Amino acid sequence: EPEVTQTPSHQVTQMGQEVILRCVPISNHLYFYWYRQILGQKVEFLVSFYNNEISEKSEIFDDQFSVERPDGSNFTLKIRSTKLEDSAMYFCASNRNPLNSGNTIYFGEGSWLTVV
Amino acid sequence: AQTVTQSQPEMSVQEAETVTLSCTYDTSESDYYLFWYKQPPSRQMILVIRQEAYKQQNATENRFSVNFQKAAKSFSLKISDSQLGDAAMYFCAYRSPQGERDDKIIFGKGTRLHILP
Repeated sequence: EPEVTQTPSHQVTQMGQEVILRCVPISNHLYFYWYRQILGQKVEFLVSFYNNEISEKSEIFDDQFSVERPDGSNFTLKIRSTKLEDSAMYFCASNRNPLNSGNTIYFGEGSWLTVV
Repeated sequence: AQTVTQSQPEMSVQEAETVTLSCTYDTSESDYYLFWYKQPPSRQMILVIRQEAYKQQNATENRFSVNFQKAAKSFSLKISDSQLGDAAMYFCAYRSPQGERDDKIIFGKGTRLHILP
C-alpha cells in the first residue's frame, strides 16, 4: 500500500538554527499538509498546500515557517530560526482529490524535532 | 468553528473485553466526515475507521465499530475483543465536506487506551 514517507525521523537542532523537514506524499495525491503535535498535546493543523500554493494555514504557521514543493515528489517544511517551543512531532499528510468527497488524509510516520 | 471533544483522557480495558471511547463534536454543517485515528507508541497516525455524516449506517471495520448519533453530535468508537496491540492513543477527528479548496482535519485531544493482560 502506498505510504507517505518523512525524513528525518528524528532531528536535534540548536535554537536559532534552520530546519528542513522532508516528505514524499503518495504519488497521485494532490493536497499536502503539515500537522504538529507537541508532546502530550493534540495534533494541530499547520498548513495545507495545493497547486503549488498554500491553501490554508493556521495561526501557528507564522513567518518562521514556509513550505515548498521543489520537485514533483518532495514536500518540505522549513523552520527558519527554531525556538524551544518548536519541539514537536511534525506529521506530513496527503490527500488524493478533495473533490471526490470523503477521501482519506494519509499521514506519514512523523519527524520528531527537538530544539535545544 | 468546529470543535472535537474527547472527555476521557485515559481508559483501561481487560484483554478480550469491549471498550467504548467517547467523542462529541460541534458543527453547523450538515455534511461532514468523522474519523478515529490510532497513534501507537511509534507515534504514527493510523486511520482506524471513517464515517460519512450522510450515512445513517454505523461504520464497521472488523473489531472496530462506531455509534454515530448525528442529532446528538456524538461519535463513539467501540473496540471488541480488545488485544494488546490496541494499546495506543486514539484521536477522534472531524473534516468538513470538500469544495474546490481542501479543508483540514480537526482533532480531539485524544484518549489513551491501556489494555490489561
